[in-house]
Amino acid sequence: QLTQSPSFLSASVGDKVTIACRASQGITTFLAWYQQRPGEAPKLLIHSASILQSGVPSRFNGSGSGTEFTLTITGLQPEDFATYYCQQLNSYPLIFGGGTKLDIK
Amino acid sequence: QGQLVESGGGVVQPGGSLTLSCEGSGFIFRGYGIHWVRQPPGKGLEWVAVISYDGKYKFYEDSLKGRFTISRDNSRNTLYLQMDSLRSEDTAVYYCAKGDSSSDAYDIWGQGTMVTVSS
Repeated sequence: QLTQSPSFLSASVGDKVTIACRASQGITTFLAWYQQRPGEAPKLLIHSASILQSGVPSRFNGSGSGTEFTLTITGLQPEDFATYYCQQLNSYPLIFGGGTKLDIK
Repeated sequence: QGQLVESGGGVVQPGGSLTLSCEGSGFIFRGYGIHWVRQPPGKGLEWVAVISYDGKYKFYEDSLKGRFTISRDNSRNTLYLQMDSLRSEDTAVYYCAKGDSSSDAYDIWGQGTMVTVSS
């Protein structure tokens, strides 16, 4: 089980936001973060809990291990307003968190 | 970078069957595990199934075992998902996604194909 919080988040351009993802059991660093804009397929942002996928801006940062993980976006840009999902990659089934919708305040 | 393109979605009656396809290009298709992920309208992402690079190993979401079958044809660079005994709750956009070689995170996604189960 993966629990994401908050489910909804309002912020302004330039803000710093943090999204949490909690696993019901330890998954070391087998965690990924994805961004999904409306009408689009998800996009990989971070894998292995903290490794930035090639081409993803450095304002995205992932951290954590075991059961507690966070995604931080520093200096929100207009294109960052989207829904974010975590996913555990430790064992099958490879479940996703419930998602965090980030919208403009 | 590579691309995945799904096809085969549509409207099907409850109890019916449908087979989705996912064609890969721009990468060595036979070298990677490929997954199916679905997203019901207005809801979050749900992992469906995975098949290993050589087709030997397959894993499914528990509730879908026995109704969904994942397969691949590496000679055609194509992944399949056969869906039987379809229910209204199977209505979703279905995505195929390639697992990254080091982490298995999905570095390439298809655009998705919509499956609607309705009478």
